[in-house]
Amino acid sequence: DAGVTQSPTHLIKTRGQHVTLRCSPISGHKSVSWYQQVLGQGPQFIFQYYEKEERGRGNFPDRFSARQFPNYSSELNVNALLLGDSALYLCASSGAQGEKLFFGSGTQLSVL
Amino acid sequence: AQRVTQPEKLLSVFKGAPVELKCNYSYSGSPELFWYVQYSRQRLQLLLRHISRESIKGFTADLNKGETSFHLKKPFAQEEDSAMYYCALRPQTGANNLFFGTGTRLTVIP
Repeated sequence: DAGVTQSPTHLIKTRGQHVTLRCSPISGHKSVSWYQQVLGQGPQFIFQYYEKEERGRGNFPDRFSARQFPNYSSELNVNALLLGDSALYLCASSGAQGEKLFFGSGTQLSVL
Repeated sequence: AQRVTQPEKLLSVFKGAPVELKCNYSYSGSPELFWYVQYSRQRLQLLLRHISRESIKGFTADLNKGETSFHLKKPFAQEEDSAMYYCALRPQTGANNLFFGTGTRLTVIP
């Protein structure tokens, strides 16, 4: 079992660009959540999707969006990147709402 | 609004000594509390959750609603316990929106 996989592992962008991060949940898991972890802080909740529907949204601007596909994989999109968007973006999957979360290794995004 | 506070960024103890990682929370309802751990070069993983009332790797944590605390304890620290520990709160049952504290880096000195 490969666990939750995220791609890419590292990414460098410049201000104003757009970025797409990808996540594949553990096989059989239908829920995917996204978190942002800024250096020195704990993870901060961005979105949760379950059965391809948005079930939760954190306190992030509309520049952040996400979706879940029929195979339960997910994408996180961030438009008009700011320097402050530099962070580790974590994806977590679970079998159902409220079940144990399994985290991926994350995508390290650097905005220059 | 919900908030999780871990007052210690760094904590060092000697091997065999007791360990207590502090966590306090603020939330008006009945939260679910968790401890997550990240060992060096590994993924963030669940250590324990308060509703399970179990001991994992010798660690225990009791939810104290009066003091709004969920401190993590272990009577005898081991070198392999060195890691980053995060306390997290889930405000409503069934949702996956966890609120994390800033974390405590535990170092166990041989």
